[in-house]
Amino acid sequence: GAGVSQSPSNKVTEKGKDVELRCDPISGHTALYWYRQSLGQGLEFLIYFQGNSAPDKSGLPSDRFSAERTGGSVSTLTIQRTQQEDSAVYLCASRTQGASYNEQFFGPGTRLTVL
Amino acid sequence: GENVEQHPSTLSVQEGDSAVIKCTYSDSASNYFPWYKQELGKRPQLIIDIRSNVGEKKDQRIAVTLNKTAKHFSLHITETQPEDSAVYFCAASKGTGTASKLTFGTGTRLQVTL
Repeated sequence: GAGVSQSPSNKVTEKGKDVELRCDPISGHTALYWYRQSLGQGLEFLIYFQGNSAPDKSGLPSDRFSAERTGGSVSTLTIQRTQQEDSAVYLCASRTQGASYNEQFFGPGTRLTVL
Repeated sequence: GENVEQHPSTLSVQEGDSAVIKCTYSDSASNYFPWYKQELGKRPQLIIDIRSNVGEKKDQRIAVTLNKTAKHFSLHITETQPEDSAVYFCAASKGTGTASKLTFGTGTRLQVTL
């Protein structure tokens, strides 16, 4: 079946503009995560969704970052008033529920460049 | 919160040799330890994982070992091939629900030379 998809694949924006990044998880996956990967760095957790609610937002770096999920499926990560330090690859992952199955499946990412 | 350290940051081996990447974690409540492989410009893909109720797991040329007492786990790749060249990330989590987020190491760039 289809894997996790993200759009756009690349986004170039000017400092101060708002951007929206989209994630389509694997059908039926109730858990959804956003991570950020800066150049040459590991993946940094941003936010976790269970269904449409976000019980863990602890990784969002500032109040300029927000995310929502509707219909238990598509999620949008919004960055307001973008700064150059927001430049990174934003990765989405999804996972099926169940205590014995933990694998998170990643999307291809959105490469954000803030000029 | 959890902190995962990974070493080395770069590793170069000759084809056919073995490669070992080591990670340590700080939170003794972590119980799930996946390893992801990320080729240049591609998404991370799970290659092997281990849960805290076992000490070792093997899948063909790849194995992972876990020492819960030392809070240490390692990836072993035997008979390396050029297609093993990639960045490898270790991670840790505390299981399901709100504890399921992954904390990643900073990655190891593995280069397999001919």
